[in-house]
Amino acid sequence: QKEVEQDPGPLSVPEGAIVSLNCTYSNSAFQYFMWYRQYSRKGPELLMYTYSSGNKEDGRFTAQVDKSSKYISLFIRDSQPSDSATYLCAMSNLNRDDKIIFGKGTRLHILP
Amino acid sequence: AAGVIQSPRHLIKEKRETATLKCYPIPRHDTVYWYQQGPGQDPQFLISFYEKMQSDKGSIPDRFSAQQFSDYHSELNMSSLELGDSALYFCASSLGGGLIEAFFGQGTRLTVV
Repeated sequence: QKEVEQDPGPLSVPEGAIVSLNCTYSNSAFQYFMWYRQYSRKGPELLMYTYSSGNKEDGRFTAQVDKSSKYISLFIRDSQPSDSATYLCAMSNLNRDDKIIFGKGTRLHILP
Repeated sequence: AAGVIQSPRHLIKEKRETATLKCYPIPRHDTVYWYQQGPGQDPQFLISFYEKMQSDKGSIPDRFSAQQFSDYHSELNMSSLELGDSALYFCASSLGGGLIEAFFGQGTRLTVV
């Protein structure tokens, strides 16, 4: 079992819809949870990160972490065609030198 | 604002050749991470450097080596290239040895033919 599981999609939703992206993980030591957006042929761009459990909101984006279920989510409200990209979840534990473990990414298409 | 610069952006090499990828971190960033991303795959951690010393090693083949120089730029050297080495190679930089809030470069697309 991979440490981080993410449905690769593709996920197609109409413009304006709420998008829900999810990841599950197996390593209970993970404390930092990140979401990256990756456009085609570009490097991953950090959208937001949360520490431990709870919610974090930034504009149209909301990240949720449920450590008891080992489940994280990213919600995108009022989705736009420009949100079409691959979204990767990533996780790390507390040690300074620890690498990030990425999910495979979910391809999202927002249909105009 | 300055970002992470990677060069070259694209590289085509033949099997058994050697390639060198370069990464220039954001100014004042002291940590560099290298990742390999195959088609449709998640980025796989290769190796990292903090203050010019190797800090962690992942799934980097013995044919690959890397170092971080005094100006904090890093180079990934790949020898005896194989077809399976074709991938996007990203580096990311951060300040202080952690990858939280790191910034990724645009990547180098290596194609081995």
